[in-house]
Amino acid sequence: QLQLQESGPGLVKPSETLSLTCTVSGVSIRNNNYYWGWIRQPPGKGLEWIGHLYYPGSTYYSPSLRSRVTISIDTSKNQFSLKLISVTAADTAVYYCARLWLAAGSDAFDFWGQGTKVAVS
Amino acid sequence: SSELTQDPAVSVALGQSVTITCQGDSLRRYSASWYQQKPGQAPELVMYGKNTRPSGIPDRFSGSTSGNTVSLTISGAQADDEADYFCNSRDSSGDHVVFGGGTKLTVL
Repeated sequence: QLQLQESGPGLVKPSETLSLTCTVSGVSIRNNNYYWGWIRQPPGKGLEWIGHLYYPGSTYYSPSLRSRVTISIDTSKNQFSLKLISVTAADTAVYYCARLWLAAGSDAFDFWGQGTKVAVS
Repeated sequence: SSELTQDPAVSVALGQSVTITCQGDSLRRYSASWYQQKPGQAPELVMYGKNTRPSGIPDRFSGSTSGNTVSLTISGAQADDEADYFCNSRDSSGDHVVFGGGTKLTVL
């Protein structure tokens, strides 16, 4: 059964780098049918797409975060990662990793991790 | 602000039908997906394409599209359907994913 699990620090200092990893089990991250993405949700607010990648390395980023974000892949560990530099309090959010499937003409995030809370303070 | 617009809140009486909408110019070109999110949980995909439900989603959920608006209809709303609902699609450039601001559904 497919599972995604986020991991990383729950607290990051302002101006430092937020680093999170998503471990995928149940399917190879090299499967060309899927993309692998990050979405975040600030407290009490809606969902914000951060970006996603497609093996072996095509990446797509939110225009508002592009200058600060990197998403990368580690096929040996079946993981993908998020790095967000120069964080501020506005980056405080629950961060989700998810599988993205281009299904029936739409972008469908069909499997999600449980989410990890990251506070910038 | 999001390129996809949703009503912030909608309510429905138990057992009645309710439609949640998502508007945006990009929806004339791109299909949307819908997610249900309950408090403290990750979102769950409930609809994708024009009207396709993932396995395990009850058939009281249906989707439709008209012009720049996509809709999610719940026929015979249950108490368990009370949640936040988000749509997502592409932006007007087609290069980026966007989410709607979300609709809080209350089942009375």
